[in-house]
Amino acid sequence: DTGVSQNPRHKITKRGQNVTFRCDPISEHNRLYWYRQTLGQGPEFLTYFQNEAQLEKSRLLSDRFSAERPKGSFSTLEIQRTEQGDSAMYLCASSLTPPTNSPLHFGNGTRLTVT
Amino acid sequence: ELKVEQNPLFLSMQEGKNYTIYCNYSTTSDRLYWYRQDPGKSLESLFVLLSNGAVKQEGRLMASLDTKARLSTLHITAAVHDLSATYFCAVDTSYNNNDMRFGAGTRLTVKP
Repeated sequence: DTGVSQNPRHKITKRGQNVTFRCDPISEHNRLYWYRQTLGQGPEFLTYFQNEAQLEKSRLLSDRFSAERPKGSFSTLEIQRTEQGDSAMYLCASSLTPPTNSPLHFGNGTRLTVT
Repeated sequence: ELKVEQNPLFLSMQEGKNYTIYCNYSTTSDRLYWYRQDPGKSLESLFVLLSNGAVKQEGRLMASLDTKARLSTLHITAAVHDLSATYFCAVDTSYNNNDMRFGAGTRLTVKP
């Protein structure tokens, strides 16, 4: 088990471009989460999946954001028409299905810079 | 809306000293987590607290949970430089959804 893997580690894009990030969770984890973290803040919840089903989306997740987990394994997070305010660290995490004592296991994140 | 508040947000300590970080939350929950984050790195789970009165200890860190007061503490004993990091508490708001909300973090610096 290599933990949660995220790609790319860094992404620099121009305003208005689309970007896509990938997350590979721990293989036996059914739950997959996306969070966003800005400098000096704690992670903010964006959305989560139970297997392939997206069960909740934060109101922070505007229409420009979409996440998928088509086969219940890896997930992608796409941001369309990026804005400078989208610059942040995007964290993926996975866990076993609740109820569980297991914490979230985080990947190293994708740092997005929109110029 | 659930609010998770940590204090202090910044903490500078001398090596060998003791200190406590506080985490208050605004809704009923008996599942609270502490994470550590080093600069440029992801979050590492430290403690999982699952019931009122729960106490967990690992090395120089001890975490406790008082669900009635909606308060968790992270106590640091005889701080060492390696403990310098940002510490986050997170509250799980639902048994079903496992929707975890994080505090803003406490940035700890331990000076020699």
